Amino acid sequence: DAKTTQPNSMESNEEEPVHLPCNHSTISGTDYIHWYRQLPSQGPEYVIHGLTSNVNNRMASLAIAEDRKSSTLILHRATLRDAAVYYCILLNTGFQKLVFGTGTRLLVSP
Amino acid sequence: DSGVTQTPKHLITATGQRVTLRCSPRSGDLSVYWYQQSLDQGLQFLIQYYNGEERAKGNILERFSAQQFPDLHSELNLSSLELGDSALYFCASSVDGFRADTQYFGPGTRLTVL
Repeated sequence: DAKTTQPNSMESNEEEPVHLPCNHSTISGTDYIHWYRQLPSQGPEYVIHGLTSNVNNRMASLAIAEDRKSSTLILHRATLRDAAVYYCILLNTGFQKLVFGTGTRLLVSP
Repeated sequence: DSGVTQTPKHLITATGQRVTLRCSPRSGDLSVYWYQQSLDQGLQFLIQYYNGEERAKGNILERFSAQQFPDLHSELNLSSLELGDSALYFCASSVDGFRADTQYFGPGTRLTVL
């Protein structure tokens, strides 16, 4: 399984943008970059995914480096509800199991 | 609400016992996954079923088994329970099991083994 590296924790203030980085230098050409988050006392929740191009959805944006060796999850305006552990996961077509690392714990202050 | 349901929410049992955790996937999803989350091991993939057939296996102990029924619900059976089996068990589902597909997670079952 291709490995990802994320900072253990990050802090933000409410209503400010947050950029969560992820390094995946051994990514293969068919690996999709997925982001999930886990709010306290809940199951993981899908956030966004992409292959090569930047992606936007109602929750966040995903910026993917041109060489695909890193990516950044962008929360445009953090809210207290965004405090969670964010996981960056590589998922290959045909292999569905999610391999969770330790993720980044995002703390959001009012 | 992800649409994935899991029962029971909490389970307290003793060492050596056997328990069954149940999962109902989202309507239309054919694939079901089981994950275990413990304090020391984090979130780990256990097993995946697609349309009733086992598709992939992860770090699942021999004391654990699972199945997916014709109505697509799934059960995870844990036997000869040990203290270390205490954990949160999550079920997830996806439309199919062959693409890099979004997985929708249930709220989990918290198992406590005393």
